[in-house]
Amino acid sequence: GAVVSQHPSRVICKSGTSVKIECRSLDFQATTMFWYRQFPKQSLMLMATSNEGSKATYEQGVEKDKFLINHASLTLSTLTVTSAHPEDSSFYICSAVPTDSNQPQHFGDGTRLSIL
Amino acid sequence: AQSVTQLGSHVSVSEGALVLLRCNYSSSVPPYLFWYVQYPNQGLQLLLKYTSAATLVKGINGFEAEFKKSETSFHLTKPSAHMSDAAEYFCAVRDTGFQKLVFGTGTRLLVSP
Repeated sequence: GAVVSQHPSRVICKSGTSVKIECRSLDFQATTMFWYRQFPKQSLMLMATSNEGSKATYEQGVEKDKFLINHASLTLSTLTVTSAHPEDSSFYICSAVPTDSNQPQHFGDGTRLSIL
Repeated sequence: AQSVTQLGSHVSVSEGALVLLRCNYSSSVPPYLFWYVQYPNQGLQLLLKYTSAATLVKGINGFEAEFKKSETSFHLTKPSAHMSDAAEYFCAVRDTGFQKLVFGTGTRLLVSP
């Protein structure tokens, strides 16, 4: 089946540092990838839609300069949390949509980000 | 805008009992509907999907869901719960022609021995 790899699975870093999270589709090409944020015991909140070769589309209320998204190839999207602060601590999940748009999104295993 | 409502943030069943997780959708056009399961500290795994074919959809791990247009519902069921079914379950809707998913608030399934 379609596999999405997300790395790292967990990261702990100091306040003020930038953190990059990678999302890779391992066995399919994905023109579109999504980035979600999930707070404890809550649902997934869509942050942005990442399209290969173009700028990401951010949801209302999501800071573009805080959460930088790069979708440089059909198998890789990255989310960089810049100058991270404790309130950025969360569980970040990516998903990828195979080029055949009738297929569902396939999710990565998430990244637990903890800012000290 | 599309939306889904999951009734009950928690559902508790005994092992071997029927599982019923409720999902109602709001859509002006025939929707694509999905059920995903999430285990602790993991991403989401697709259980099943409805894409305007058969109204009764069978998924993995013995789960199934029935699309009922008259009730705008897509409830998830399993005849006999297993301890390993304990997890968070999310219903989601996607606009036809668009890729975005809108998730419900989730239902935590608790299975007791």
